[in-house]
Amino acid sequence: EDKVVQSPLSLVVHEGDTVTLNCSYEVTNFRSLLWYKQEKKAPTFLFMLTSSGIEKKSGRLSSILDKKELSSILNITATQTGDSAIYLCASEADAGGTSYGKLTFGQGTILTVHP
Amino acid sequence: KAGVTQTPRYLIKTRGQQVTLSCSPISGHRSVSWYQQTPGQGLQFLFEYFSETQRNKGNFPGRFSGRQFSNSRSEMNVSTLELGDSALYLCASSLSPNTGELFFGEGSRLTVL
Repeated sequence: EDKVVQSPLSLVVHEGDTVTLNCSYEVTNFRSLLWYKQEKKAPTFLFMLTSSGIEKKSGRLSSILDKKELSSILNITATQTGDSAIYLCASEADAGGTSYGKLTFGQGTILTVHP
Repeated sequence: KAGVTQTPRYLIKTRGQQVTLSCSPISGHRSVSWYQQTPGQGLQFLFEYFSETQRNKGNFPGRFSGRQFSNSRSEMNVSTLELGDSALYLCASSLSPNTGELFFGEGSRLTVL
């Protein structure tokens, strides 16, 4: 069964700090690794990493996929209070060209950024 | 462009009752997935529908069922509710049926007493 493990489970930092969130995965027929941000209710999509796209960046956020180590990191530089959220990592398995909508999520990392 | 809309947002039921949750995907999105989120188990996949067909189902008992209509709107039903069914039920839609990039609704918070 596919498995995703995130660390740390929670993290408290001050504005301006840089944080690194970790995600390791065990997936049969890996298709992609995704990061989502959940502030209140609805998780919002951040990045998708695949074999052909192992590094993504958007503003202060960046993510790297290490297919050899079966892991990914999400970096946030110059953190702001608005970055406080749960960050979810999810794996997608390939079931013949599609995942049929199934993502396997990790437990999430709760990030708290203090002013 | 409207996002994924879920109704009701909150509901309270008692054990043994049944519940129906509704999801309207983003216009043009034909794939709809359902997830259950609890503090202990996190986000767990329930099922996925595309073109009114259930293409995939997670490891949940048969009390959990769903369907999709021709306009892509989806409903999920939980029968004979148990205390452990208390959770946030999230619906997600995607433009392509073959992508993990999902757009989530704000969820329906179910409390079973």
